Amino acid sequence: DTAVSQTPKYLVTQMGNDKSIKCEQNLGHDTMYWYKQDSKKFLKIMFSYNNKELIINETVPNRFSPKSPDKAHLNLHINSLELGDSAVYFCASRRRQTNTGELFFGEGSRLTVL
Amino acid sequence: KNEVEQSPQNLTAQEGEFITINCSYSVGISALHWLQQHPGGGIVSLFMLSSGKKKHGRLIATINIQEKHSSLHITASHPRDSAVYICAVDNYGQNFVFGPGTRLSVLP
Repeated sequence: DTAVSQTPKYLVTQMGNDKSIKCEQNLGHDTMYWYKQDSKKFLKIMFSYNNKELIINETVPNRFSPKSPDKAHLNLHINSLELGDSAVYFCASRRRQTNTGELFFGEGSRLTVL
Repeated sequence: KNEVEQSPQNLTAQEGEFITINCSYSVGISALHWLQQHPGGGIVSLFMLSSGKKKHGRLIATINIQEKHSSLHITASHPRDSAVYICAVDNYGQNFVFGPGTRLSVLP
């Protein structure tokens, strides 16, 4: 069973469209993240949720909106897609209360905006 | 200047060589993680360290909290070790800060 699963794995779309990426974890973790990995492979935090509550919201355009319907899911909605949004988006989860929990990643979702 | 730096950025080695990748950081941390990202794109956690040294197979990770430095060693390197290795520091459960990664190529 996949611990952290993201869908879709690949997404090609036109500029201006609205799209969503879904993430689910079956590890019982209480904290989930969205990261963006640029073409140079640098990972940057976008959002972090703990027990369905937003705890980190880095400087990302408000076209990006996370939604956490429950502790096991953290979806990412992107409105009015732009060329610069092309990247690989990784979902991850961990158990936060230990402060040293291992981080588990999804396989990534490669978004290409044309 | 990034809060987490890695060296070298790129590394090419011959099969069988001993490899060292370094990570230095400038923030307080509760733990440091080494991650591996293969060309296929998936990211897996190799080690989580808060002190000392850990070993898993041919991989060894060390950390010196006072010097804010960690190293990842690969003994008897193999082409399947070719990947990007990423150092990430854990900011007391708040967030992770990632290094820029080290791209390793091991030639047969």
